[in-house]
Amino acid sequence: GQQVMQIPQYQHVQEGEDFTTYCNSSTTLSNIQWYKQRPGGHPVFLIQLVKSGEVKKQKRLTFQFGEAKKNSSLHITATQTTDVGTYFCAGTGWETSGSRLTFGEGTQLTVNP
Amino acid sequence: ETGVTQSPTHLIKTRGQQVTLRCSSQSGHNTVSWYQQALGQGPQFIFQYYREEENGRGNFPPRFSGLQFPNYSSELNVNALELDDSALYLCASSPDGGGVIYEQYFGPGTRLTVT
Repeated sequence: GQQVMQIPQYQHVQEGEDFTTYCNSSTTLSNIQWYKQRPGGHPVFLIQLVKSGEVKKQKRLTFQFGEAKKNSSLHITATQTTDVGTYFCAGTGWETSGSRLTFGEGTQLTVNP
Repeated sequence: ETGVTQSPTHLIKTRGQQVTLRCSSQSGHNTVSWYQQALGQGPQFIFQYYREEENGRGNFPPRFSGLQFPNYSSELNVNALELDDSALYLCASSPDGGGVIYEQYFGPGTRLTVT
């Protein structure tokens, strides 16, 4: 079955440093979504990427979808303490229907002030 | 905050018992998905309901079952609870239709502990 892997598992940064998490799928994806989960909270949707090579920005966050649609990345510029949480990528394969998502294991980000 | 609600918030059950978790989807959403999230891991897809029919199932045994009602609210039932069933159970709704993939709106989850 489809597998989605994320690295690193943990990332500790000083406030103001950049942060990147990488996501790789074992199969080609139809789309990929990114979610953020704060400690004790639930996943909150950040963005969806659909096109090969797509790049989207949300303020300090930059999301990329690979040309082969098998990998993706999330980059945060100049982290802030409000960025703390676990970032998940979640992909949908071509063989599945609806909005069934396969989540990666997540990257837990801590930001030291 | 999303309009997705779940009940109860926390639950403690004994191994072998049965449990029912409930979810009210966001207004206008006709698709509900259930996920199991063990501590420190990503959510794992259990199944999805679309217009009261099961529309996809993950790698979970038959003792995990569900229902969706005409108002699109949903239930997750787990029989013969095992210790490994201890997890956060998340419900997510989306306005699915026509094969378009939409973002999912997650509820706050039900924390199930099996002793």
